[in-house]
Amino acid sequence: GDSVTQMEGPVTLSEEAFLTINCTYTATGYPSLFWYVQYPGEGLQLLLKATKADDKGSNKGFEATYRKETTSFHLEKGSVQVSDSAVYFCALSDRGQNFVFGPGTRLSVLP
Amino acid sequence: EPEVTQTPSHQVTQMGQEVILRCVPISNHLYFYWYRQILGQKVEFLVSFYNNEISEKSEIFDDQFSVERPDGSNFTLKIRSTKLEDSAMYFCASNGRISTDTQYFGPGTRLTVL
Repeated sequence: GDSVTQMEGPVTLSEEAFLTINCTYTATGYPSLFWYVQYPGEGLQLLLKATKADDKGSNKGFEATYRKETTSFHLEKGSVQVSDSAVYFCALSDRGQNFVFGPGTRLSVLP
Repeated sequence: EPEVTQTPSHQVTQMGQEVILRCVPISNHLYFYWYRQILGQKVEFLVSFYNNEISEKSEIFDDQFSVERPDGSNFTLKIRSTKLEDSAMYFCASNGRISTDTQYFGPGTRLTVL
């Protein structure tokens, strides 16, 4: 079945450092890809998404590009802030059916 | 901006008791979902619901679980006889059309079974 793999972390960075969180997927169809963020004590918030190959999703300085050839959707941000500390989940959805989530990557940003 | 809401935010119950977790999806959405997240683990799909019936369920969603849309706004998850391993965060989600893809998640209900 479909699956998502992502670096599990935890990832600890200093403020203003560059962030990459790797995500790769396996799917039988042509899924949409998502990054969700979970801040401490809160629920899941959609961060960005891409629905087809070569699409780039972006939001709040975060970006991810749908790479069909490498089945990847890596999350990047050029300069992280302390407020970005959270758990980041990569996920896929095939035609809006139930989501398949990766294990989550905990990011801690130090001042 | 419309959002999915869930109540209660935290539910504590004794093993063997029944619990009902409530969700109010976004008002014009047609597809509803429940997920759970055991502490420190990944988010897992439980069930999807459309047109007043279950459209898909995972192997986690056994006979102890049921879902219902009792009126035009609420969407509930019932656990008939809770077990210790049911302790988790339960998320409700909804989306408008299958082709929309994006599911909007509620803030979750933390269930603690003692």
